[in-house]
Amino acid sequence: DTEVTQTPKHLVMGMTNKKSLKCEQHMGHRAMYWYKQKAKKPPELMFVYSYEKLSINESVPSRFSPECPNSSLLNLHLHALQPEDSALYLCASSHSWGALRSYNEQFFGPGTRLTVL
Amino acid sequence: AQSVTQLDSQVPVFEEAPVELRCNYSSSVSVYLFWYVQYPNQGLQLLLKYLSGSTLVKGINGFEAEFNKSQTSFHLRKPSVHISDTAEYFCAVSRNAANAGGTSYGKLTFGQGTILTVHP
Repeated sequence: DTEVTQTPKHLVMGMTNKKSLKCEQHMGHRAMYWYKQKAKKPPELMFVYSYEKLSINESVPSRFSPECPNSSLLNLHLHALQPEDSALYLCASSHSWGALRSYNEQFFGPGTRLTVL
Repeated sequence: AQSVTQLDSQVPVFEEAPVELRCNYSSSVSVYLFWYVQYPNQGLQLLLKYLSGSTLVKGINGFEAEFNKSQTSFHLRKPSVHISDTAEYFCAVSRNAANAGGTSYGKLTFGQGTILTVHP
């Protein structure tokens, strides 16, 4: 299984809502990533988890709250978002840098298209 | 720090014609190089990667890329494109394990992307 799955595929939420994005992989990867991608732009890294611990936070506003409950799951909790947060949110996974395969080949999910009204 | 420049934001081409998408990078240390493709409303799929060894790398869907260390380039080529190759292509670099310390490891630096449009 070389797939990263993300749910939901689309999400529309108001600025006062609380919602969560979910990401799952069963490739035995111990590094997982959240990216934000605006139209016609490259993905921007938000968070990196390694061995279920937050390793990198790219100065993301606190209205985005990541969680890694186990080695296969990654969540992104959303609260009080702004319209400018509307984007495609991509999850990715890779072998961690502690592993022999250290070249960081990242496998991406299909993304969640988020619209904030 | 490293950076990636994709020299063309859009490349239109006719079906069955050859194509080259250009990528230059800047880094003070050795890097790994990647090309990803993104079809509309989808995630990124790895086309090919250069880690070490032969400078000509073959990937999926008939694509190949050549690593040129002296010119710090990693251009993507396909000898004959199909309509289905219409997509956005991203070049990316990352440090390798030997020289990435601290928080810089695990990060991909992407270029701005090149939209390839194949016309019939």
